Amino acid sequence: NAGVMQNPRHLVRRRGQEARLRCSPMKGHSHVYWYRQLPEEGLKFMVYLQKENIIDESGMPKERFSAEFPKEGPSILRIQQVVRGDSAAYFCASSPIGQVMIEQFFGPGTRLTVL
Amino acid sequence: SQELEQSPQSLIVQEGKNLTINCTSSKTLYGLYWYKQKYGEGLIFLMMLQKGGEEKSHEKITAKLDEKKQQSSLHITASQPSHAGIYLCGAPTGTASKLTFGTGTRLQVTL
Repeated sequence: NAGVMQNPRHLVRRRGQEARLRCSPMKGHSHVYWYRQLPEEGLKFMVYLQKENIIDESGMPKERFSAEFPKEGPSILRIQQVVRGDSAAYFCASSPIGQVMIEQFFGPGTRLTVL
Repeated sequence: SQELEQSPQSLIVQEGKNLTINCTSSKTLYGLYWYKQKYGEGLIFLMMLQKGGEEKSHEKITAKLDEKKQQSSLHITASQPSHAGIYLCGAPTGTASKLTFGTGTRLQVTL
């Protein structure tokens, strides 16, 4: 039973380019959460998605960031026109249902470096 | 908004020693998660506590949630180098299982 998969594990982009981060939840999980960990800072919630729906995007920056979780395929976090401040580790987690106090399984993360 | 404060921020202990990490919430907790993160890797689930006064153990790690559900502690007995990493407490806030995380405690275990 494969865990949460994220790819790529490392991503290097130049300022102004686009970054696409993918997250495949555990089998049978239809809820995905994205978190960001900036250097020397804690883990911060970004967005919560169900299949084809954004449930809570209160942690997403207003511009350049978007997320989707299509009916088929992985969830994608997209960052347009990246800037150096976007350099961080991006983690996704999945759960089978969207309920309080249910375990979230985390992926290994994608480390984005913006040159 | 809910904030979680962890103490200490970092800790260096000798192998075999016991240690405790604390997580204090600014609001009453619905429950609390403990995760461990190895440097450069993802989060590993350790334990989930829901009820006031609850205590859970796994191998040499014990976590407790106080009766008022505003503070949790993580205790490691006879620490080993494999325990080294960053320990994070997290609490559900608002939507479903969206988590707010603590500031983290970096643990080093020396030989």
